[in-house]
Amino acid sequence: QVQLVQSGAEVKKPGASVKVSCKASGYTFTSYYMHWVRQAPGQGLEWMGIINPSGGSTSYAQKFQGRVTMTRDTSTSTVYMELSSLRSEDTAVYYCARDGAPDIVVVPAAPYYYGMDVWGQGTTVTVSS
Amino acid sequence: EIVLTQSPGTLSLSPGERATLSCRASQSVSSSYLAWYQQKPGQAPRLLIYGASSRATGIPDRFSGSGSGTDFTLTISRLEPEDFAVYYCQQYGSSPKLTFGGGTKVEIK
Repeated sequence: QVQLVQSGAEVKKPGASVKVSCKASGYTFTSYYMHWVRQAPGQGLEWMGIINPSGGSTSYAQKFQGRVTMTRDTSTSTVYMELSSLRSEDTAVYYCARDGAPDIVVVPAAPYYYGMDVWGQGTTVTVSS
Repeated sequence: EIVLTQSPGTLSLSPGERATLSCRASQSVSSSYLAWYQQKPGQAPRLLIYGASSRATGIPDRFSGSGSGTDFTLTISRLEPEDFAVYYCQQYGSSPKLTFGGGTKVEIK
């Protein structure tokens, strides 16, 4: 079945970096873009950016520009999200989520939006001194 | 940046009742680019609706989406016990830039 399995919880000190992985299975990895979304405790959802697993192109939310890097490894069907210069406000659950559009160019603009149809289980990142 | 405002913040209803959730955009959004999600405590969100009115795979037909321009609605025709959750609307913009609404909690009255 289609699933996304994320790496385990992390505890980091302010100023450090964290790298979260998301391993895809059950579908053609390079045919679907992948989003990253985070959720601070008791808060709503916040979009961080998107990566094309096929070519590796990315687009990041302005808020995270310069601090976030999304990469992929096609040999293991895994995408990664690295966030640097961590601060306490980065404490959150981080999700990867598949874009539902197969083989459609999403970056810079998709002709139709199919939503985020498959989600990882989430990775809790705690930033504390 | 397009801001999505969801109302009400909390909706208190009984099983079997109809739920109507609103999502208002700060500027016009293409219906093709509007989605709704359900999230239960401790779980990842689940896609319910995309393209403003198309149900995602496996979503029961008691869930329906409608709207255009700046006003969108998610309707749950008859609430089942498993429908009590938080619901988010989301829009896709070019570049891309995606934004979520603040959420509506549907709780048991």
